[in-house]
Amino acid sequence: TQLLEQSPQFLSIQEGENLTVYCNSSSVFSSLQWYRQEPGEGPVLLVTVVTGGEVKKLKRLTFQFGDARKDSSLHITAAQPGDTGLYLCAGLGTYKYIFGTGTRLKVLA
Amino acid sequence: DADVTQTPRNRITKTGKRIMLECSQTKGHDRMYWYRQDPGLGLRLIYYSFDVKDINKGEISDGYSVSRQAQAKFSLSLESAIPNQTALYFCATSDRIEGNEQFFGPGTRLTVL
Repeated sequence: TQLLEQSPQFLSIQEGENLTVYCNSSSVFSSLQWYRQEPGEGPVLLVTVVTGGEVKKLKRLTFQFGDARKDSSLHITAAQPGDTGLYLCAGLGTYKYIFGTGTRLKVLA
Repeated sequence: DADVTQTPRNRITKTGKRIMLECSQTKGHDRMYWYRQDPGLGLRLIYYSFDVKDINKGEISDGYSVSRQAQAKFSLSLESAIPNQTALYFCATSDRIEGNEQFFGPGTRLTVL
C-alpha cells in the first residue's frame, strides 16, 4: 500500500515568517502534486512536479521533488494570512492518486 | 456556474438509511472519482471511473457503491449508513492524460447519527 505522510500536521506562524512542509513516502511516484484547500471548498491544484530533483516556483511558494521521486517539500517565503489553508500532496500511483495526510497552516496577521 | 457540482451539500441521516450523493461535471472529462476526507487522514479514494463502462474500487470501497449514469454524472451510494461513514465527501474529475489536474467539487458533509 502506498502512503504519503505529511509533516507537520499543524502549523501556526506569524505573518512574514518562512516555513517548509514535507511530504514523504517509501514508494516511488511518477509525479506529485500539491493542492490547497480552503474551508467549505474542494482542493485546488497549485503545482505538479514530474522529474526527480525538479524545483518549481509559484510566487512565494517553492516546490521540490526528491531525486528518488519518493518525497517532496513546499517552502513558503514571507507567509501571509492568505496562505492559510490545508495543504495536501498527492502522488500518482498506478492509474490513481494517493493523497497525503495534510498540513493545516494558519498564518496570523 | 461551477464545473463540478455536488448535491446535497449537507446531509444528516440515521444509521441504516440508504443515502445517495450525486456529482455532475461540465468539464467534459472522462475520469471521475469519489473521495472521503477525515481529519488527519487526508483524502482517501472510494471509487473511480475512467469512462461510463469502467468502474474501479479504491482503497476504502467497503460499504459504498457507485453508478456512472453518463459521462457527466457519477453518484455514490451508502446502502446502509453507519456512524463511521460520517465525513466530508468529494467528487473529482480529470482528463485522460495521466498526472493532469483533478478538479474537485465543493464537497458534501454527511453526518450519520
